Amino acid sequence: DADVTQTPRNRITKTGKRIMLECSQTKGHDRMYWYRQDPGLGLRLIYYSFDVKDINKGEISDGYSVSRQAQAKFSLSLESAIPNQTALYFCATSDGSRVVQFFGPGTRLTVL
Amino acid sequence: TQLLEQSPQFLSIQEGENLTVYCNSSSVFSSLQWYRQEPGEGPVLLVTVVTGGEVKKLKRLTFQFGDARKDSSLHITAAQPGDTGLYLCAGDSGTSYGKLTFGQGTILTVHP
Repeated sequence: DADVTQTPRNRITKTGKRIMLECSQTKGHDRMYWYRQDPGLGLRLIYYSFDVKDINKGEISDGYSVSRQAQAKFSLSLESAIPNQTALYFCATSDGSRVVQFFGPGTRLTVL
Repeated sequence: TQLLEQSPQFLSIQEGENLTVYCNSSSVFSSLQWYRQEPGEGPVLLVTVVTGGEVKKLKRLTFQFGDARKDSSLHITAAQPGDTGLYLCAGDSGTSYGKLTFGQGTILTVHP
């Protein structure tokens, strides 16, 4: 079984809709991250969390919110989706003793 | 804000050719990582380089960290179609936050 899972894997929605992307991990890591990937822009950090009570904004947090429901679960929400939020979204984890990050398979989101 | 400039953005070569991907910054990183991403999957770590001037080899892949720890390169010898994918470099600034700065990525296509 995969260590980091993301649901859904694909989602098509309309402008103005609220969307939640979910991430779960079985690696026992404290740190979790949400990234957005666009062609030619690499991975950009949206939010990160070091434990259930610690949530931090990344470089592109506007229009997004997150919830760390448990050590193993980290959700990303788009309160009112807009077309330029169409992208690949990745969740990642790390254990804090190393900076290596382990990524989920991604969610492809299309906002029409 | 730390930036990593990765080049080239696209690389299309024939099987058996050699290639080099570059990752450059004006900032110093405490370590630098290289990830490989295949379609429909998240990035997977290939290597971490930590010491200035360090060279690491992974079969036909050679990774080098610049003496000043501001740049890195990935060299592939005798490329094979299985090397096709997106290659990403990521720098760690050395803070306690464990955040990574990603380059824009290089899309490599190796034709049989």
